[in-house]
Amino acid sequence: AQKITQTQPGMFVQEKEAVTLDCTYDTSDPSYGLFWYKQPSSGEMIFLIYQGSYDQQNATEGRYSLNFQKARKSANLVISASQLGDSAMYFCAMTLGNEKLTFGTGTRLTIIP
Amino acid sequence: DAMVIQNPRYQVTQFGKPVTLSCSQTLNHNVMYWYQQKSSQAPKLLFHYYDKDFNNEADTPDNFQSRRPNTSFCFLDIRSPGLGDAAMYLCATSRASGNEQFFGPGTRLTVL
Repeated sequence: AQKITQTQPGMFVQEKEAVTLDCTYDTSDPSYGLFWYKQPSSGEMIFLIYQGSYDQQNATEGRYSLNFQKARKSANLVISASQLGDSAMYFCAMTLGNEKLTFGTGTRLTIIP
Repeated sequence: DAMVIQNPRYQVTQFGKPVTLSCSQTLNHNVMYWYQQKSSQAPKLLFHYYDKDFNNEADTPDNFQSRRPNTSFCFLDIRSPGLGDAAMYLCATSRASGNEQFFGPGTRLTVL
């Protein structure tokens, strides 16, 4: 069974600094997808970025990029130039083929003005 | 805009009184999911529909049921809510299983 690990329960970062949220995964299946979601205090889960296991390049979406290191089984989210609105819970998640999404325990990010 | 809509946003019910949460989508996605999320925890999948095919998670209590009358709508029925069922309930959709999921704003359920 696949497993997602997020080792940072909480992080405090100064506004405008870059931040890296850690995510490691465990699977023996060669085909999988990795996702990051943002959940503000309002509760909605917002899809941020996706990385497929066969993708050659790291995914990027605006200020978000995914540092995909396949050999280390890590998929860290990098947020550049953090903003106050980035304060939220962040979940890393994985799916194998057509299987369900498995979430990590999340990291609560707080941006300090 | 195409989206996932959940009603109501906040629901208060009494212990043991049946409650129904609704979800609708304008994305025309094949798959619809229901998650339960308790405070400071990751979302937990309850069940999902691939078109009309219902897939229940092994550890979802019988107290939770779902209906999908058409592509656009999906309902979560809690037959006899207990205090432990107080949570945020998230609906999500995807084009196909394994694709990115798009979530609604959630319904926060309080059980008195």
